[in-house]
Amino acid sequence: QKEVEQDPGPLSVPEGAIVSLNCTYSNSAFQYFMWYRQYSRKGPELLMYTYSSGNKEDGRFTAQVDKSSKYISLFIRDSQPSDSATYLCAIIVPLKSNDYKLSFGAGTTVTVRA
Amino acid sequence: SQTIHQWPATLVQPVGSPLSLECTVEGTSNPNLYWYRQAAGRGLQLLFYSVGIGQISSEVPQNLSASRPQDRQFILSSKKLLLSDSGFYLCAWRSGYSYEQYFGPGTRLTVT
Repeated sequence: QKEVEQDPGPLSVPEGAIVSLNCTYSNSAFQYFMWYRQYSRKGPELLMYTYSSGNKEDGRFTAQVDKSSKYISLFIRDSQPSDSATYLCAIIVPLKSNDYKLSFGAGTTVTVRA
Repeated sequence: SQTIHQWPATLVQPVGSPLSLECTVEGTSNPNLYWYRQAAGRGLQLLFYSVGIGQISSEVPQNLSASRPQDRQFILSSKKLLLSDSGFYLCAWRSGYSYEQYFGPGTRLTVT
């Protein structure tokens, strides 16, 4: 079973719409969750970082964690063409040598139409 | 502020040739360093990680190796490239005091 699953989309929305992105994870012990944005042919850029359950807001972006259903979400309000990118969810997984890795979802490609 | 560099940006290499990709981090000391590969249809996969100079751990067996000769330098190498080594190679770092990982601009490798 994969550690984290994400619908690859693609997702196309008109400018100004709310974008809703979702991931599910397999292990209830996971507690730290991240969302990255990746423009074409660029490295991923950290957008949001959340711990445990609840919501975290940063400008037009809201990250939500529901630990009871092992579900994480990212919402983008008032979407702009510049939000067109691939969005990757990630969970923090412990490694053997007291370090941590990111286990990523497949990424959802979003296009915001002007 | 911290900056992460990778070079080269793109590389086209024949099968059987050697490989050396370099990653350096500025503006921090003793970072945890990571090499990931992003292949089409397979997502981002951790290849190697390092918690300090000379300390390398491999996450998956493969045709590649990594080294950390200096505190803020991480090198990915291969003696003989395979077609399956093609992909987008990303270096990342994090502070030992936080979980967030920050990625470099990546190297796009095509093995022909």
